[in-house]
Amino acid sequence: GQQLNQSPQSMFIQEGEDVSMNCTSSSIFNTWLWYKQDPGEGPVLLIALYKAGELTSNGRLTAQFGITRKDSFLNISASIPSDVGIYFCAGLTGSQGNLIFGKGTKLSVKP
Amino acid sequence: SAVISQKPSRDICQRGTSLTIQCQVDSQVTMMFWYRQQPGQSLTLIATANQGSEATYESGFVIDKFPISRPNLTFSTLTVSNMSPEDSSIYLCSVEVTQGTEAFFGQGTRLTVV
Repeated sequence: GQQLNQSPQSMFIQEGEDVSMNCTSSSIFNTWLWYKQDPGEGPVLLIALYKAGELTSNGRLTAQFGITRKDSFLNISASIPSDVGIYFCAGLTGSQGNLIFGKGTKLSVKP
Repeated sequence: SAVISQKPSRDICQRGTSLTIQCQVDSQVTMMFWYRQQPGQSLTLIATANQGSEATYESGFVIDKFPISRPNLTFSTLTVSNMSPEDSSIYLCSVEVTQGTEAFFGQGTRLTVV
């Protein structure tokens, strides 16, 4: 079945550093979504991407929908301690398809 | 977007019993889904809750174990039946306001089976 390969699996960075994570697949997706999950909470939608090549920002977050439609990345600039959490990518193949989730990137930020 | 209320937020249950989880949305939505997230893992889709008809289950999940109801466009329940310790997970309700667009999640139900 369809799979998303998300990397890195975990990151441990210093406050103020920039962060980059990505998801790749052998399948084509029509929509890419990026979520953040804090402990004990459900995933919260950060950015939604609907068009190949699309680059979208949300504050310090920037995400891009790969031109091949098989990948996406998320960048976080100038990280702060509250960025700590698990970030998930998710892809949707179409209006009839289901969301496929990556395995997550666990981000730790040292003050 | 949509505001999703899920309850209970957590529960500790005895093996062999059943627990029903409720999901209430503040607006009518096209699609409602139930996910399971095992400790330290990603999200796995259990089923799509269909309004007025039987849910559509993913491979590995069956109606007898995870009966689902969706009586209207704002409410759904998931029951975890005849629980065992292996059912200890976070169960999450998700909605798409419009089919094929971004999905929003409830805060989850953390279930521990002892």
